[in-house]
Amino acid sequence: AQKVTQAQTEISVVEKEDVTLDCVYETRDTTYYLFWYKQPPSGELVFLIRRNSFDEQNEISGRYSWNFQKSTSSFNFTITASQVVDSAVYFCALSRRGSQGNLIFGKGTKLSVKP
Amino acid sequence: DAGVIQSPRHEVTEMGQEVTLRCKPISGHDYLFWYRQTMMRGLELLIYFNNNVPIDDSGMPEDRFSAKMPNASFSTLKIQPSEPRDSAVYFCASSLEDSGSGRTGELFFGEGSRLTVL
Repeated sequence: AQKVTQAQTEISVVEKEDVTLDCVYETRDTTYYLFWYKQPPSGELVFLIRRNSFDEQNEISGRYSWNFQKSTSSFNFTITASQVVDSAVYFCALSRRGSQGNLIFGKGTKLSVKP
Repeated sequence: DAGVIQSPRHEVTEMGQEVTLRCKPISGHDYLFWYRQTMMRGLELLIYFNNNVPIDDSGMPEDRFSAKMPNASFSTLKIQPSEPRDSAVYFCASSLEDSGSGRTGELFFGEGSRLTVL
C-alpha cells in the first residue's frame, strides 16, 4: 500500500527563520513520483515540485530546497529565510508511474510565519 | 491565461437535496480530476477523465455520486441525495500529459467548491 506521512501538523516560525517540512512515504513500486503542493489561504493547491524515484539530486529554487533520500524514504522541503507570504498548508504527495494525477496526499503541514 | 474554474465557490444545502458542482478545465488539457478534501480524510481522488472518458472512478464513495464530462471544456460532479457527511471542499484539477517532459502529477487546481450539507 502507498502512504505519505507528514508528521508535523503545524509549525510556527518567525520571519527570516529557516524551516524544514518533513515527508516520509511508503511504496512498493520501484518507479514513482513525489510532489510538493502549497495551499495558501485562498484555497487552491499550487504545484511546487515533482521528483521521480530515479533522481535523488537535491533541488534548489530560490529560497526553496528539497532533499530526496530513498534510503530513508523521505522527501523533505526546506524554506530558507521564511517570509509571511510562505504561510500556507504544504502537502507532500506520491504517485505511481503511469497513474497520471492519481496522487496520494499526506495530511499536510500548516506553516505560519509571523512577522 | 485562465486557470481551472469551479462553481459554485460555496454551497449550503439541506440533506436530501441534489448538488451539482461544475468545472471548466484549462483549455487544451486532456486530463480532468475531481478531488475531495475533508479534515478527517485529507485530499482524496474521486474520479478522473482522459479526453472526456472516465478512467478511474474507484474513489467515488457511493452511488449517490456521479460525474460527467460531456465535452473537453466542462465537467460536473453531482451528489443526489446529499448527506451531511458529504460536507467538504471539492476540487477540480486538470493537467496536460506531455510524454516528452513527463509532467505526470503536475496538476492545476481550481479554487474549490465548499459544500455544506445541513
